[in-house]
Amino acid sequence: GESVGLHLPTLSVQEGDNSIINCAYSNSASDYFIWYKQESGKGPQFIIDIRSNMDKRQGQRVTVLLNKTVKHLSLQIAATQPGDSAVYFCAENVSFKAAGNKLTFGGGTRVLVKP
Amino acid sequence: DGGITQSPKYLFRKEGQNVTLSCEQNLNHDAMYWYRQDPGQGLRLIYYSQIVNDFQKGDIAEGYSVSREKKESFPLTVTSAQKNPTAFYLCASRDRGDYNEKLFFGSGTQLSVL
Repeated sequence: GESVGLHLPTLSVQEGDNSIINCAYSNSASDYFIWYKQESGKGPQFIIDIRSNMDKRQGQRVTVLLNKTVKHLSLQIAATQPGDSAVYFCAENVSFKAAGNKLTFGGGTRVLVKP
Repeated sequence: DGGITQSPKYLFRKEGQNVTLSCEQNLNHDAMYWYRQDPGQGLRLIYYSQIVNDFQKGDIAEGYSVSREKKESFPLTVTSAQKNPTAFYLCASRDRGDYNEKLFFGSGTQLSVL
């Protein structure tokens, strides 16, 4: 079936540098995308989301880019901090889907911030 | 504080035993979800409920059961038919509406087999 996937399972980044986490999706009908951050032993926390009518959205220190042509999503974290160390998940959704508006999650990327 | 509460945080199951994981939310959300997460893996949908007294199977429902008798509660039972139950279980909820896709998650329950 169609699914969301990630290019890199682990990303090691120096504190203060920018991080880029990539995500590929294959369902061309997906019109909503979301990024979550999950710290060890905790539930996922919302970071940022974007709809398919946009190609960029910015939050506090984070930016999500959407390239519908190549079905690619990325999360950029500016000035990465030790507290950013976590697993990051992307997820997609097809709105109005009869089956119930369910998010489909990718496999996750672990970000390790080096001091 | 508004949120989703999962209990217990850690749970141990003996072979052949059924165990129930609790999920309560005071966000007044209509829809609730259960996900399973294996180490180093993403989230897989077990069951979901869009409204009280109604629920649907997700992608990996075999060996699990749920009920939705109250809006704020969505307990998950891991039955003896689930042969590999060790995992981190996450409950989530969202508000009603086609543009309310964002899920809010609880802190999870780690289930292990003795």
